[in-house]
Parts: sequence; C-alpha cells; structure tokens
Amino acid sequence: GAVVSQHPSRVICKSGTSVKIECRSLDFQATTMFWYRQFPKKSLMLMATSNEGSKATYEQGVEKDKFLINHASLTLSTLTVTSAHPEDSSFYICSASFRDRGREQYFGPGTRLTVT
Amino acid sequence: GQNIDQPTEMTATEGAIVQINCTYQTSGFNGLFWYQQHAGEAPTFLSYNVLDGLEEKGRFSSFLSRSKGYSYLLLKELQMKDSASYLCAVSPLAGGYNKLIFGAGTRLAVHP
Repeated sequence: GAVVSQHPSRVICKSGTSVKIECRSLDFQATTMFWYRQFPKKSLMLMATSNEGSKATYEQGVEKDKFLINHASLTLSTLTVTSAHPEDSSFYICSASFRDRGREQYFGPGTRLTVT
Repeated sequence: GQNIDQPTEMTATEGAIVQINCTYQTSGFNGLFWYQQHAGEAPTFLSYNVLDGLEEKGRFSSFLSRSKGYSYLLLKELQMKDSASYLCAVSPLAGGYNKLIFGAGTRLAVHP
C-alpha cells in the first residue's frame, strides 16, 4: 500500500510557458502532500506543504506566484510552474503522508522538467 | 536554523559493512528517517528512529543518540544494488507535524 504517482514523468517546455505536474495518492487519502525539487547530485529541497482544502505553506525563498500549488482533494495535488525559465529545470518530487502512518512520507517517482 | 550533515561520498566493497553518519541541529526533534535513492528515482523509506538506540531491519540498521544529535545507518553484507544515495531526514518540532528536513545525501558506491 501507500503508492504515490506523478504525471508526467518527463516534460520539455519552452521558456515562458506553464507546466502542470500532478501528484496522486493511489490507495490512501493523503492528509498532507509535499513538493520538493532536487538538483543533480543534491538532496531534496522542500518547496511547500499542502493540506487538502487549504492554502499551501511555502518555504522561505520559494515564490508562491511562480509555483502554484492546488490540493483539491485528499488524493490529488498539482504543482504549476508558471512562466517557466531554464533555471526552473529540475527534478520535482511530491510526497504524501496520512495521519494513521505518523511522520512517514511516501514519495512519487518524480517529474523531470526541462525548460528550453 | 536547521542543519543536517552527512558525508558526501563513500565507497565500500561488496560483502563488507559500511556505516553512514548523520549529525543534526534542528529546532526541535520528532524523529529521524533514512531514505535510499537511486539515481533518477524517488526516495524509498529505510528506517525511522525516534528513541535512542539501535533499530535493526534485515541487512540495514539505524542508530540514534538524541543527546548527541547523531545517527548512523549501518549496511551489512553489501550488494552492488546498494550503490545509491542515502538521505538522512529529521522531523523538527516546528513547521508542521509531518515536515521533513533532508541532509544533502551520501552517495555510496559499492565495488566488487
């Protein structure tokens, strides 16, 4: 159990366009979902925490108008990278947790974004 | 501030034992996680420690000392497939019940 999916797995877009990444918990209802980005050979940097039905909490230095997070249901959260630039190219990973499993987070397979 | 330190890289021989250390300084402590991450893939859960002592799970064990802000992950009978990055993550007291702060990760290379 506790499977998290992400779509798409890879996306290439042109500079100035917007890209939406979906994160779904397939077999459980996620109390909280997290969005991370990871640069090559670096660790995960938490971007924001989102709870279903409420606004996301962004980490310091993360632009909330650029990285739009929507958590419309207990099984779906979306991250939209608006007006993408080449420096937004990265590996984006979501994770989900639910109250009955304490602090453990279940990670999605990640989305490789390349902005040309 | 939040600070989690672990070695950048380690190498070991197939069949051997390797210990990956992690030290942390966080605003409170609600548990420490170890995750394994292969290149280009998502992290997978290995262990969780919230009390002092050693937790053993098959070939992997994890140790925690809260007073020293220190943990280690011990991998026994190393296999080639254990070549991966190992991420130490702490759940701090502040910032939400489930939030995790990750260290930079230790890249382990296992050679024959």
